[in-house]
Amino acid sequence: DVKVTQSSRYLVKRTGEKVFLECVQDMDHENMFWYRQDPGLGLRLIYFSYDVKMKEKGDIPEGYSVSREKKERFSLILESASTNQTSMYLCATTKPSYEQYFGPGTRLTVT
Amino acid sequence: AQSVAQPEDQVNVAEGNPLTVKCTYSVSGNPYLFWYVQYPNRGLQFLLKYITGDNLVKGSYGFEAEFNKSQTSFHLKKPSALVSDSALYFCAVRAPTSGTYKYIFGTGTRLKVLA
Repeated sequence: DVKVTQSSRYLVKRTGEKVFLECVQDMDHENMFWYRQDPGLGLRLIYFSYDVKMKEKGDIPEGYSVSREKKERFSLILESASTNQTSMYLCATTKPSYEQYFGPGTRLTVT
Repeated sequence: AQSVAQPEDQVNVAEGNPLTVKCTYSVSGNPYLFWYVQYPNRGLQFLLKYITGDNLVKGSYGFEAEFNKSQTSFHLKKPSALVSDSALYFCAVRAPTSGTYKYIFGTGTRLKVLA
């Protein structure tokens, strides 16, 4: 079965810090995605990647960047954390049958 | 613009009654549609999908969904609700973008099944 792991379940950071959220998948899937989930707003796409050489901005990329040096690992970087980036962050990969498989999420609090 | 709408923030239903959670979409080309469920303090889990074929698709935990092309809808249904079905449900569509595809999610509908 597909396994998507995220480096932390809970994270507390200070305003201005550089934050790294890591996601690893074990199924050799090409596609990986980062979303943030906020009450009333659903899931919003931050960045996605269809292979190691390709990274695409999603709908809300401002304040974020990504790194994908290896196929199995997709990292989300908050260059300078702000309080409005307090959120639940979800990593996902896409099966060949098109449905997405999600990690457990990282709840980030920026103080 | 490509989008997914879930018009109800919350749906309440009595245990044993049928339930419907609504979803409408707007997307270029043929839609690939999905439903996901999120239980408290858990990640999102895939429930079912429509890619092609029969308009009524069946998924996990007794859920089904009906694809209606003319109404651009993909409503989630279950004939008899259980208290354990109480959760947050998301509808999603696979949408073309910049020569590739992304997934657009609705804002979610909280289902509460009352004993």
